Amino acid sequence: EPEVTQTPSHQVTQMGQEVILRCVPISNHLYFYWYRQILGQKVEFLVSFYNNEISEKSEIFDDQFSVERPDGSNFTLKIRSTKLEDSAMYFCASSDPGAADTEAFFGQGTRLTVV
Amino acid sequence: DAKTTQPPSMDCAEGRAANLPCNHSTISGNEYVYWYRQIHSQGPQYIIHGLKNNETNEMASLIITEDRKSSTLILPHATLRDTAVYYCVLEPSGGYQKVTFGTGTKLQVIP
Repeated sequence: EPEVTQTPSHQVTQMGQEVILRCVPISNHLYFYWYRQILGQKVEFLVSFYNNEISEKSEIFDDQFSVERPDGSNFTLKIRSTKLEDSAMYFCASSDPGAADTEAFFGQGTRLTVV
Repeated sequence: DAKTTQPPSMDCAEGRAANLPCNHSTISGNEYVYWYRQIHSQGPQYIIHGLKNNETNEMASLIITEDRKSSTLILPHATLRDTAVYYCVLEPSGGYQKVTFGTGTKLQVIP
């Protein structure tokens, strides 16, 4: 069964550093998403991406964040100048724009710890 | 904000049916009822969705009331591995699948 893969599974970084979280969406999907889940809280939408541009973003997704599709298979989330409060699980998801009746497929997440 | 209301927690005995309710009184005509679950901080997993008819797949059944203002997810024979947070969300169908998660129902399956 096709799946969304995320790397690394766990990343520890020092406050102020930049991190890049990587995702490989399902191959025929063209909608990509990033979500965040702070420990003990609900899953929050960050951004969606389609046709090489952001299609929607939340208030959380400020100038500290950026997304990129650097090649035909990867989708990345960059967090600049990380803060302690950026510590969370980050989930990537993808969906098929050509499907009339579908769902979102989520990866297993990257646990980001900012120290 | 999430447009659905779910009980914060439920228990179910292993092997019994788990019935998880969801209220969505302000559902729009083009919105589908989707269910996802999250097992212990893993990535959310799609379970089932429907518009107005009852649906069944290998994981669960979805019962939607005739007025579409509420629904019930049924896990017919709950196992310990079904212990998770279950989210009922409303989304339009189609390729764009941004999911707006609420707080969900924490289902504890008890041996």
